[in-house]
Amino acid sequence: DAGVTQSPTHLIKTRGQQVTLRCSPKSGHDTVSWYQQALGQGPQFIFQYYEEEERQRGNFPDRFSGHQFPNYSSELNVNALLLGDSALYLCASSLVDAETQYFGPGTRLLVL
Amino acid sequence: QKEVEQNSGPLSVPEGAIASLNCTYSDRGSQSFFWYRQYSGKSPELIMFIYSNGDKEDGRFTAQLNKASQYVSLLIRDSQPSDSATYLCAVNKGGGSNYKLTFGKGTLLTVNP
Repeated sequence: DAGVTQSPTHLIKTRGQQVTLRCSPKSGHDTVSWYQQALGQGPQFIFQYYEEEERQRGNFPDRFSGHQFPNYSSELNVNALLLGDSALYLCASSLVDAETQYFGPGTRLLVL
Repeated sequence: QKEVEQNSGPLSVPEGAIASLNCTYSDRGSQSFFWYRQYSGKSPELIMFIYSNGDKEDGRFTAQLNKASQYVSLLIRDSQPSDSATYLCAVNKGGGSNYKLTFGKGTLLTVNP
C-alpha cells in the first residue's frame, strides 16, 4: 500500500524565484492538503484540494497556488520566493469528508 | 489566545514511566482531535484521534478528551527511548467547510534510558 509521496526531498532557491512541489496521495485517497512547517513551529494549513478544486484556504498570500490533477496528485507553486518561505512543506492526503490526514515525508525548501 | 496550545517542553521522563502530554484549544465547537508524533527531521506521523469525551486506548497510548474544559491529553505508558520525539496536537473544527487541521507548536518529549 503506497503511502503519500513528495518530490523533491530538498530544494534550494534564491529570493524572487519560483518553485513547484509535487505530491501523490496515499492509494485510495482523493483529497490533498498542503501545510507549511517553519522550524520549531507546528504545521500551518495552506490549502486543500478535492475534485481538482481548491476547497479551503488558510492565511497565505496569493503567491501560494496549487493544482490537483485527475489522478488526485497535486502541486504547490510558490512565486516570488522570500527568505521567510524557507520551511518544510508537507502534503497530507485523506478521503473526502474524512478528517484524518496522513502526511508525506515533506519537501525541505531553503530560500537564500 | 492561540487556537491550540501545548507546553513546548522539553518534557523529560525516565524509561518505563508514564509521559503525559497536554493540549488546550480555544474553539468550543471543535469536533475532532489528533495526536501526531514527529521525529527530528521527519514528517508528522498519526498516533491517535479522538472525537468523543472520555478515554481512547491504543496499545501504550491513551488519548483523553474533555470538551467542557477544552482539553485533550496523550498518555504514553511504559515510555521507551524510541518515544523521544515532538508530539503535535491538532484540532479540526468540523462543520460543513472546515477541513483544515490546526496544530499546536508541539511538545518535545525525551525518554531517558
